[in-house]
Amino acid sequence: GQQVQQSPASLVLQEGENAELQCNFSTSLNSMQWFYQRPGGSLVSLFYNPSGTKHSGRLTSTTVIKERRSSLHISSSQTTDSGTYLCALAITGNTGKLIFGLGTTLQVQP
Amino acid sequence: EAAVTQSPRNKVAVTGGKVTLSCNQTNNHNNMYWYRQDTGHGLRLIHYSYGAGSTEKGDIPDGYKASRPSQENFSLILELATPSQTSVYFCASGVGGGQDTQYFGPGTRLLVL
Repeated sequence: GQQVQQSPASLVLQEGENAELQCNFSTSLNSMQWFYQRPGGSLVSLFYNPSGTKHSGRLTSTTVIKERRSSLHISSSQTTDSGTYLCALAITGNTGKLIFGLGTTLQVQP
Repeated sequence: EAAVTQSPRNKVAVTGGKVTLSCNQTNNHNNMYWYRQDTGHGLRLIHYSYGAGSTEKGDIPDGYKASRPSQENFSLILELATPSQTSVYFCASGVGGGQDTQYFGPGTRLLVL
């Protein structure tokens, strides 16, 4: 089965609302990473977060290894936040390989 | 300035033809990766490399070859393209070891007719 599961699959918000995106994984990891992808676009790294909590502007990432989960919190959403958010885990070992979830598609309406 | 570039950005190929997708990175990273992205499957790793002259099979290598002639360049080769290889292909570079993030190129849209 899928080693990395993201929820929800899609989310619609009104501008200004907050969002909580979840990522659960079924194997041990080296690190958890969050990416943003605009429709038809490339991936942009948001967080490299092996454990604990990290902040970047309106974004917060929290990874709890023993619970095998990571979350991405978006506060005060804006229409420009619309797109797909992907989490990826690097499994233990030294290959640098990433296993991606299927993503959460976010639409922020004005 | 973009550190990972891909060419071509769009490609239409015929079944049975040979297709080469190219990737160049100026990050001086040892590791490079080729992924494909399909609806319902997400991003899947095809081949990767630890440095010049090295290529390793990823999770879905069948029907693909890879070449890493230099630190900067990593190619993905479809010797006999099939319609099932229609996809968006992304190249990425990274330091490796799972200790940092990967940096992605803009992607190549490939349509095999």
